[in-house]
Amino acid sequence: KQEVTQIPAALSVPEGENLVLNCSFTDSAIYNLQWFRQDPGKGLTSLLLIQSSQREQTSGRLNASLDKSSGRSTLYIAASQPGDSATYLCAVQQAGTALIFGKGTTLSVSS
Amino acid sequence: DTGVSQNPRHKITKRGQNVTFRCDPISEHNRLYWYRQTLGQGPEFLTYFQNEAQLEKSRLLSDRFSAERPKGSFSTLEIQRTEQGDSAMYLCASSPTRQGRRETQYFGPGTRLLVL
Repeated sequence: KQEVTQIPAALSVPEGENLVLNCSFTDSAIYNLQWFRQDPGKGLTSLLLIQSSQREQTSGRLNASLDKSSGRSTLYIAASQPGDSATYLCAVQQAGTALIFGKGTTLSVSS
Repeated sequence: DTGVSQNPRHKITKRGQNVTFRCDPISEHNRLYWYRQTLGQGPEFLTYFQNEAQLEKSRLLSDRFSAERPKGSFSTLEIQRTEQGDSAMYLCASSPTRQGRRETQYFGPGTRLLVL
């Protein structure tokens, strides 16, 4: 059974710092991996999707990498801003259509 | 494209009552998903439709839960005889179909259910 783990569970940084969020998964047979952002009490916003054949994806200040063989992904956020404060969720998709999520990393960026 | 919408946004009910939630997906998306999220956890998959056909159901979807997508457009999720353990955020998502690819799922704002 696929399990997705996110470390750390919470992270606090001062504005301007670069940071890395980690995601690991137990079964490397995935079709893709996605990173989402969730603001308190709200739905999910897709940030980046990496297909299993890809190694990384970039969008603005965000860069996500995927090492399928080791079951790991990282989300790199450059020059963090207070507006980046949110919970970041990692999810993998396998043969079915369901996304399997980690519990998330709650990020707080102070000004 | 107005995104995925869900109604109501909040629902408070008493234990034993029935509740129904509605999801309107992005108009050209033929895939629709329901997830449930409890506090401090990631979303958990409940069920999936391709057009009007319900193709996957999680073991989380007990007999008290039923989902429909009668014309392949909006979907409803009904919970009968609600229990306090049903309190959660219910999220709907939709995605397009591309041959051989799993596409990004776009999520709605969710319906927060509180069972007293």
